[in-house]
Amino acid sequence: DSGVTQTPKHLITATGQRVTLRCSPRSGDLSVYWYQQSLDQGLQFLIQYYNGEERAKGNILERFSAQQFPDLHSELNLSSLELGDSALYFCASSVDPSGKGTGELFFGEGSRLTVL
Amino acid sequence: AQKITQTQPGMFVQEKEAVTLDCTYDTSDPSYGLFWYKQPSSGEMIFLIYQGSYDQQNATEGRYSLNFQKARKSANLVISASQLGDSAMYFCAMKASGGSYIPTFGRGTSLIVHP
Repeated sequence: DSGVTQTPKHLITATGQRVTLRCSPRSGDLSVYWYQQSLDQGLQFLIQYYNGEERAKGNILERFSAQQFPDLHSELNLSSLELGDSALYFCASSVDPSGKGTGELFFGEGSRLTVL
Repeated sequence: AQKITQTQPGMFVQEKEAVTLDCTYDTSDPSYGLFWYKQPSSGEMIFLIYQGSYDQQNATEGRYSLNFQKARKSANLVISASQLGDSAMYFCAMKASGGSYIPTFGRGTSLIVHP
């Protein structure tokens, strides 16, 4: 158990809909990362938050948004869903705020999204 | 830009034998870190081992060791005494200052351990 909690584990929805994925980082970790894993794109970095502030942005679509709340949990909002958004969405947390150190990312079990 | 390449889409190994999973990387940053993660069929990503670019010795964690060859820009994972539970996808990742220390992942290698 990594200590990172993601909900829901599975989600099935229709095209055009909006969903919210939730992540609670490990106790004490201030940094949260979101990754998307699909068969054709592999593991793609979406966005990073540190202590409530956006720190880095990757290949995140404009239809997607995220935030980190004062209690440090994070939510990833996916809207106007398309078939191609079907993927496994991972949240990861790290104790190292800058990312420079040796601290690895601790991943949650992921939220598997299926868009029909 | 940083890049991770895993050229072996699939590997097979006999139980109790050792196996090497290849990983090459590309970065112009002098300071970087290399990771290996395991993803079993259940889906979670499990951290295995870390190697810093300035570390003098190869990292080891139990049956896992990282064969770090800086000049060749390779960071191969060696699993000794393979077990059936080692069957999984294995991902190599790198973080460097040029990428804001955000880990970039390779496409992965599927390892199947035969009894």
